[in-house]
Amino acid sequence: AQTVTQSQPEMSVQEAETVTLSCTYDTSESDYYLFWYKQPPSRQMILVIRQEAYKQQNATENRFSVNFQKAAKSFSLKISDSQLGDAAMYFCAYRKTDSGGGADGLTFGKGTHLIIQP
Amino acid sequence: KAGVTQTPRYLIKTRGQQVTLSCSPISGHRSVSWYQQTPGQGLQFLFEYFSETQRNKGNFPGRFSGRQFSNSRSEMNVSTLELGDSALYLCASSLWQGRTDTQYFGPGTRLTVL
Repeated sequence: AQTVTQSQPEMSVQEAETVTLSCTYDTSESDYYLFWYKQPPSRQMILVIRQEAYKQQNATENRFSVNFQKAAKSFSLKISDSQLGDAAMYFCAYRKTDSGGGADGLTFGKGTHLIIQP
Repeated sequence: KAGVTQTPRYLIKTRGQQVTLSCSPISGHRSVSWYQQTPGQGLQFLFEYFSETQRNKGNFPGRFSGRQFSNSRSEMNVSTLELGDSALYLCASSLWQGRTDTQYFGPGTRLTVL
């Protein structure tokens, strides 16, 4: 079974600085997707970024980018120019590719609580 | 386009009762998944429905069930509630165009079992 590990329960960063959140995963599949979701105090889960495992290029979305190392099974999230609104729980998630026969749901890590210091 | 909606947002039940939660997906989305979030176990997959059929199921007891209607709206039911069922229940919808679609989440239903 696949597992997702986030080794940093909590991270703190000064506003406007850069922070990197770590995520490692374990799977025997070669075709899968990885996601970062954020969950602010409202508990609404919001998609931050998505990476397809077959793509070598790292995904970017404005101030958010990932460092995807497939061989190392590592998927870190970099947040540049941190803003107060970035404060939230960040979850790394994995899902194998659905080839038509169905795929299990998302497997989530335990989350990293990101604190933004003004 | 309206997001995923879940009703009710908060619910208080007592042990032994049953509960039904509702989820309306984003317009045009045909896949609906359910997740349970607790402080101890984190986020865990319950089941996924597509075109009124359960496609996948997580490792939960048979007390947890669901269904999907022809308009893609979904309900999940928990029978014989236990204290450990207290959790935030999240619904997510996706377009499902093949391979793996991104799941978009609703605000959740907070269930408290007394």
